[in-house]
Amino acid sequence: KAGVTQTPRYLIKTRGQQVTLSCSPISGHRSVSWYQQTPGQGLQFLFEYFSETQRNKGNFPGRFSGRQFSNSRSEMNVSTLELGDSALYLCASSLSPPGTSGNYEQYFGPGTRLTVT
Amino acid sequence: QQQVKQSPQSLIVQKGGISIINCAYENTAFDYFPWYQQFPGKGPALLIAIRPDVSEKKEGRFTISFNKSAKQFSLHIMDSQPGDSATYFCAARRYSTLTFGKGTMLLVSP
Repeated sequence: KAGVTQTPRYLIKTRGQQVTLSCSPISGHRSVSWYQQTPGQGLQFLFEYFSETQRNKGNFPGRFSGRQFSNSRSEMNVSTLELGDSALYLCASSLSPPGTSGNYEQYFGPGTRLTVT
Repeated sequence: QQQVKQSPQSLIVQKGGISIINCAYENTAFDYFPWYQQFPGKGPALLIAIRPDVSEKKEGRFTISFNKSAKQFSLHIMDSQPGDSATYFCAARRYSTLTFGKGTMLLVSP
């Protein structure tokens, strides 16, 4: 089974621009979560999608948004980029729908390295 | 508010030794505790996980010890190898959202 794929792997953008990152989950997984990883803050939860609906959202400004398509693929968008948005953006997929417990592990993709200059 | 505290920040262990990483959490609503291993340039990979109704789980050289009353859990890597050199993250899950510790950089010297 193919793992989680993320595109692009690397991206360089200028302050004020916007960016869209893409994630394809493991086949059969319908829950997709996004995380931001920085040296200072570590791994922080951005949001989660299930069945094309955002089910949970972390503590990030409204410039960060996302969506999920009917095939479970997901995109996240960051508008009006700031220098502090430079980070590794990770996507994770799981079988588990939000609101349920159970040993449904999250599997991460390789991430998209975003550099804002 | 840091809900999952991880220590130490970095760790150097001799080959063949035992690596121990500790985590403590605050929210008793967490229901699942995974550990992830991350190599440079890669995404985190699930290593081993435990539920709070179990006190210990072992998979190969990796063992999680869980103390529900103390709200602490730890990862033990037995017979540590240079290939284990990576950053390790503990996490705690509520619903399907993971809250991560800050990570531990492990270096296993040959």
